[in-house]
Amino acid sequence: QQQVKQSPQSLIVQKGGISIINCAYENTAFDYFPWYQQFPGKGPALLIAIRPDVSEKKEGRFTISFNKSAKQFSLHIMDSQPGDSATYFCAATRTGGYQKVTFGTGTKLQVIP
Amino acid sequence: GAGVSQTPSNKVTEKGKYVELRCDPISGHTALYWYRQSLGQGPEFLSYFQGTGAADDSGLPNDRFFAVRPEGSVSTLKIQRTERGDSAVYLCASSPQGAGNTIYFGEGSWLTVV
Repeated sequence: QQQVKQSPQSLIVQKGGISIINCAYENTAFDYFPWYQQFPGKGPALLIAIRPDVSEKKEGRFTISFNKSAKQFSLHIMDSQPGDSATYFCAATRTGGYQKVTFGTGTKLQVIP
Repeated sequence: GAGVSQTPSNKVTEKGKYVELRCDPISGHTALYWYRQSLGQGPEFLSYFQGTGAADDSGLPNDRFFAVRPEGSVSTLKIQRTERGDSAVYLCASSPQGAGNTIYFGEGSWLTVV
């Protein structure tokens, strides 16, 4: 059972454009929603995360929007750069314990000059 | 280095063989995780250690898989009688003690079973 659904599978964006990746979750017990960035041959690295008590979190060019009632959240990358080209994973977990993270299937982003 | 170290980075083995994958966590990190990432998929949880004991190994796919951390630092993931379906990247991660802390992933061990 896939508990975190992610779309699109791949995304091509022009430099300077906005990249948008969407995710939906099923388990209402999740209370921490991180996004990970993974470059080829590397492990995933935490990019930004949000808790469901806020609807938006912004860090630099990266923004998470969160809709608790719809059980959906999304990542927006503003002013996308070629260096942002990577695979992005949304994820969900429960705090209060350890990080048993449930990942989405990933979005391969390519930012073209 | 300061990051999570995994060896080997690549391992090709024949079906039916035994393999060991090693993880050296960030110094001082008490929590250690194993995840498995198949091609084109997100990582999937395998096991979690807090100290020496496997606090949660519910993600291990079957009894051919076993993870140990005898001294509370280095961990080894052991796979017996490997099958072609075991081919994947095995990721190790560590974090400081405490809930909600960022986990830091290593670069993974890419296992290919032929």
